[in-house]
Amino acid sequence: NAGVTQTPKFRVLKTGQSMTLLCAQDMNHEYMYWYRQDPGMGLRLIHYSVGEGTTAKGEVPDGYNVSRLKKQNFLLGLESAAPSQTSVYFCATQTDTGQDRGYFGPGTRLLVL
Amino acid sequence: DAKTTQPTSMDCAEGRAANLPCNHSTISGNEYVYWYRQIHSQGPQYIIHGLKNNETNEMASLIITEDRKSSTLILPHATLRDTAVYYCIVRNRAAGNKLTFGGGTRVLVKP
Repeated sequence: NAGVTQTPKFRVLKTGQSMTLLCAQDMNHEYMYWYRQDPGMGLRLIHYSVGEGTTAKGEVPDGYNVSRLKKQNFLLGLESAAPSQTSVYFCATQTDTGQDRGYFGPGTRLLVL
Repeated sequence: DAKTTQPTSMDCAEGRAANLPCNHSTISGNEYVYWYRQIHSQGPQYIIHGLKNNETNEMASLIITEDRKSSTLILPHATLRDTAVYYCIVRNRAAGNKLTFGGGTRVLVKP
């Protein structure tokens, strides 16, 4: 039981390059979330999904796209990376009961030059 | 989602209780209060949550005022490993169960 895993752990991109971050969970949770955390700041919600095949925008969705083709995976894409997207990205999952704790992944550190 | 207000930072002596306050004056009836902490740059770690009643688990106690406009997280015997940023969050189940993070309280446990 791995919980929530994120791939890759660290990545360096040049401005304009694209990449996809993968979040995988083995807990059969319905809800999945992508957050970003800039230095000294709290986490901000980018996009989230309440089930397979569904996605919704969070607080800071611009410049990102997401897909939830399989229940266990939530992909975050950057089509054209910008230095402002340098951040640590966290994935989280939870059940749909409303009382469940959230489970967070270890984070992906992204540097855009 | 209801907004929360927490002190920016606080110090605590090792072995003493740490009391972390949180104001959530606009909380509505179906919103839960959650506490998470983040040690260094790891992923946030769940601590405890509650709706109306006080709650206790192996990590901490959560005291919610009767009007639910504020709460206090209590770490009964702080250790150096409790040094972290603590986030108080009000979660609305009807709004995608989203966890909306504020700035949190940076807690430094001193020997």
